[in-house]
Amino acid sequence: KQEVTQIPAALSVPEGENLVLNCSFTDSAIYNLQWFRQDPGKGLTSLLLIQSSQREQTSGRLNASLDKSSGRSTLYIAASQPGDSATYLCAVSPNFGNEKLTFGTGTRLTIIP
Amino acid sequence: EAQVTQNPRYLITVTGKKLTVTCSQNMNHEYMSWYRQDPGLGLRQIYYSMNVEVTDKGDVPEGYKVSRKEKRNFPLILESPSPNQTSLYFCASSWDSGNSPLHFGNGTRLTVT
Repeated sequence: KQEVTQIPAALSVPEGENLVLNCSFTDSAIYNLQWFRQDPGKGLTSLLLIQSSQREQTSGRLNASLDKSSGRSTLYIAASQPGDSATYLCAVSPNFGNEKLTFGTGTRLTIIP
Repeated sequence: EAQVTQNPRYLITVTGKKLTVTCSQNMNHEYMSWYRQDPGLGLRQIYYSMNVEVTDKGDVPEGYKVSRKEKRNFPLILESPSPNQTSLYFCASSWDSGNSPLHFGNGTRLTVT
């Protein structure tokens, strides 16, 4: 059974710093990996989706990388801002589809002004 | 505005009293899904639907029912709620079940006493 782990559970970083969030998964036979952010009282917002054939995806100050063989993904946030404070979750899909996504429990990120 | 709408946002009920949480999306998405989110357990899938009249069980379907009579709506039904169904519930949809990002509603916080 696929297990997705995100360590640390919480992270505090001063504003302006670059930071990396980690996601590891036990079964490397994945189809894609998604990163989401969750704000308090809100649902999840999709940030980046990386297909298994890709090594990375970029959107603005966000860069997600994927290393299937080692079962790891990272989300790099450049020049962090207070508005980046949220919980970040990753999820992996074993095949073509969202119906069997396995989610990590997330990293709660706080950017200190 | 493209969105997934859940109602109600908050619900307090008593054991055994049937309830329905509605979910509607205006993006013409084929795929819809329900999750519950519990501290330390992350998001777990309850049911999903690949298209109208096509539904299937997720990881934790016991005690829940769904229907997909129209493309835009995917209600979650608790026929006889119990306290262990106290949780934060999310509805999500995507263009298809393939390589497209999930869009989430803002959640329904359910308390069963």
